[in-house]
Amino acid sequence: QVQLVESGGGLVKPGESLRLSCAASGFTFSDSYMHWIRQSPGKGLEWVSFISTRASTIYYADSVKGRFTISRDNAKNSLYLQMNSLRVEDSAVYYCARDRYQMPLWGQGTLVTVSS
Amino acid sequence: ETVMTQSPATLSMSPGETATLSCRASQSVDRNLAWYQQKPGQAPRLLIYGASTRATDIPARFSGSGSGTEFTLSISGLQSEDIAVYYCQQYNDWPRTFGQGTKVEIQ
Repeated sequence: QVQLVESGGGLVKPGESLRLSCAASGFTFSDSYMHWIRQSPGKGLEWVSFISTRASTIYYADSVKGRFTISRDNAKNSLYLQMNSLRVEDSAVYYCARDRYQMPLWGQGTLVTVSS
Repeated sequence: ETVMTQSPATLSMSPGETATLSCRASQSVDRNLAWYQQKPGQAPRLLIYGASTRATDIPARFSGSGSGTEFTLSISGLQSEDIAVYYCQQYNDWPRTFGQGTKVEIQ
């Protein structure tokens, strides 16, 4: 079954860290470009980060640059997002999604809440 | 950054009607434009890419058009299952950007 499953979300305080994971199955993960996209409660979609198949190309939204780090482990079919110095405004459902251009496959999302 | 602006914010339609959703880019994105449907509590689903190509298993009543800076998503023969928020997304450059969404309601 072709799917993406995110995990690692939770409730943290401002300034703390969290690591999200995205487990891929049913397709060749090592050949897949991957993104993280987030959605604040009741709001629209915000692209967060992109990583190429061999991690040679990485992009970040300005809002997370310097605080978030995207990575992948092709041997484990997994994508990660290390989030440091979290802010209240980082609270959102975080989705991983596949492919370089349009995104035909999304996970179900994991909720991150940053609150004191 | 390419800003994507969608209109209207909300569209209230009757079953069977045709809904027309607009998406405007602040600069040309050629035809590098996708549309997504998001129902409450669900992840977005790809409907259209390349401005007009339907994704796998998307019904023919969903159609996309446009190029450059002006794009349209049309939904003909509206059904109750089409109640959702629809987003456009450009993939012409970085950062990837989404419109703010159009909510389709059925009266």
